[in-house]
Amino acid sequence: KQEVTQIPAALSVPEGENLVLNCSFTDSAIYNLQWFRQDPGKGLTSLLLIQSSQREQTSGRLNASLDKSSGRSTLYIAASQPGDSATYLCAVRGGTTSGTYKYIFGTGTRLKVLA
Amino acid sequence: SAVISQKPSRDICQRGTSLTIQCQVDSQVTMMFWYRQQPGQSLTLIATANQGSEATYESGFVIDKFPISRPNLTFSTLTVSNMSPEDSSIYLCSVGDGKAETQYFGPGTRLLVL
Repeated sequence: KQEVTQIPAALSVPEGENLVLNCSFTDSAIYNLQWFRQDPGKGLTSLLLIQSSQREQTSGRLNASLDKSSGRSTLYIAASQPGDSATYLCAVRGGTTSGTYKYIFGTGTRLKVLA
Repeated sequence: SAVISQKPSRDICQRGTSLTIQCQVDSQVTMMFWYRQQPGQSLTLIATANQGSEATYESGFVIDKFPISRPNLTFSTLTVSNMSPEDSSIYLCSVGDGKAETQYFGPGTRLLVL
């Protein structure tokens, strides 16, 4: 059964710092991995999607890497801003028993960037 | 991309009653997904709704408790039946982008059961 874990659970940093959020998954037979952002009282916004054949994706100040063999992904946020404060969720699609369409979500990292 | 709306955005309900949540997408999609996010928890998939067929439920979720309708390719409803306080959660509708496989989510329905 696919399990997704995110570390740390919460993080508080001063504005301008570069930071790394970690995601690990137990079944490496994934179809893709996606990072989301969730703001309080709102739905999820997709940040980056990495296919199983890719090693990284970049969008602006965000860079996500994928090491499928070790079951790990990282989300790198450069020059953090107070507007980056949110919960970041990692989700993997696929796995030996999950099928190709189902996403399994991690526990999330609550990020607070202090001005 | 897909734009998803949900109704209601929030509700407070009494134990034993039922609530139907609507999900509307601005484009035709084959698969629609319903998730639950309990307080302080991550998202859990309830079921997958395909147009023209019965929904597929995940382990721990049953049709009698969470009946789903999918009358066309842009709309779905999820009913939370015979509610108890344990059903207090955020319920989210989601669709996939067929080409890029990006997953899009609605704003969610915040449900509080007293």
